[in-house]
Amino acid sequence: GAVVSQHPSWVICKSGTSVKIECRSLDFQATTMFWYRQFPKQSLMLMATSNEGSKATYEQGVEKDKFLINHASLTLSTLTVTSAHPEDSSFYICSGVGGLNTEAFFGQGTRLTVV
Amino acid sequence: KQEVTQIPAALSVPEGENLVLNCSFTDSAIYNLQWFRQDPGKGLTSLLLIQSSQREQTSGRLNASLDKSSGRSTLYIAASQPGDSATYLCAVGGAGKSTFGDGTTLTVKP
Repeated sequence: GAVVSQHPSWVICKSGTSVKIECRSLDFQATTMFWYRQFPKQSLMLMATSNEGSKATYEQGVEKDKFLINHASLTLSTLTVTSAHPEDSSFYICSGVGGLNTEAFFGQGTRLTVV
Repeated sequence: KQEVTQIPAALSVPEGENLVLNCSFTDSAIYNLQWFRQDPGKGLTSLLLIQSSQREQTSGRLNASLDKSSGRSTLYIAASQPGDSATYLCAVGGAGKSTFGDGTTLTVKP
């Protein structure tokens, strides 16, 4: 299957700083990227959907000003957690879909710890 | 809105047993269903993907079935091993977006 490379795999940051997570589709053009997060002992929940060149659509309860999503190219989408706080500590994962394809390919995930 | 339920939430079995994990979903208009494995503190490992037109997929000791009309999928693990201990997630795919179940945490005792 196609590959989505997510970086970094883990990051520790201080409260108040910003963290950027990247997802790259290596062998296909990801027209749509989905971003999920998983709090401890909970399942993965969709945060937002982004189409290349458009503004992201956020799920209810997700602060768009805090979680900035950029999808400026067909092979790169980024999630920036701005002014991170300990409650933002979570596992974040992206998935990409290309063109008319409906199968999503997942990145490896990023474990964010805010101290 | 799609809802995905996994039963049981936790399962403990002795090594060598065959076991079945269950996943049910409320909206049968799906594109695919995927089973993942997640080890503690780690990312997702894709195990099996079943397209909506398929009934089952097999990989080694794993077999996943899909019954769209009844909104059910099962993951069968044969001859379980301690290394199979992990959380298993079911993800129902709808045009790219996935809805995840809460997972089944499996412990295989030596």
